[in-house]
Amino acid sequence: SQTIHQWPATLVQPVGSPLSLECTVEGTSNPNLYWYRQAAGRGLQLLFYSVGIGQISSEVPQNLSASRPQDRQFILSSKKLLLSDSGFYLCAWGLADTQYFGPGTRLTVL
Amino acid sequence: QQQVKQSPQSLIVQKGGISIINCAYENTAFDYFPWYQQFPGKGPALLIAIRPDVSEKKEGRFTISFNKSAKQFSLHIMDSQPGDSATYFCAASKGNKLVFGAGTILRVKS
Repeated sequence: SQTIHQWPATLVQPVGSPLSLECTVEGTSNPNLYWYRQAAGRGLQLLFYSVGIGQISSEVPQNLSASRPQDRQFILSSKKLLLSDSGFYLCAWGLADTQYFGPGTRLTVL
Repeated sequence: QQQVKQSPQSLIVQKGGISIINCAYENTAFDYFPWYQQFPGKGPALLIAIRPDVSEKKEGRFTISFNKSAKQFSLHIMDSQPGDSATYFCAASKGNKLVFGAGTILRVKS
C-alpha cells in the first residue's frame, strides 16, 4: 500500500530564514506530486505540482519554490521566509485524478 | 469557471441527524468529484468520490448526490455521530488538478 511522509511535523522559523520541507511517497511509481498551503480556518491553496522528475508547475507567484530530485521526493523551499508564509503545508500524491494527502507540516514564522 | 462554491460554511447537527453539505460548479468539463474529511491538525482524507455518469453513490453512512444538469453535488451524512465532527471539502477536477471548495465545519452535538 502507498504511504506519504512529511517532515518536519512542526517548524518555528524566524523571518528571513531559509526553509526546506520534504515529502516522500512509498509504494507507487511516477506519481503526480502536489504542495498545498492551508491558512488557519481556510481552504486549500495549490502551490506547486509535478508530473515527473524535474518537472514543476507553479500555481501562484510567491516566495516559495519546489523541486523534485527523485521520483517519489518533493521538496518545498524558500530562501527567506516572510510572516505571510506561516500556515499548514500539505503534500499530496496522485495517480490520474485522485489525490491523497500527507499529515502536513505546521510552519510558524515569527 | 474554475470555482467550486461550497455551503454552508458551518453546520451544527444533533447526534443521529442528517448532515447535508452542498457544492456547485461552473466548469462542465469537470469529471471527478471527491469529498475530503479533515480533522484538526491532520491532512485531508479522501472520503468518497463520484463521476458524472451516476447520480448517487453510497458508502456506509456517506452518500454523494450528483445533479449534472444543475451542476451541483452534495454530501449526506446519515445518523451523524460526534466523531464525524470535522471540516469537509468538496472538490472537482478534469485531469490531475483538483479545485476545492472553501470547506464546511461540521459539529455534531451529542
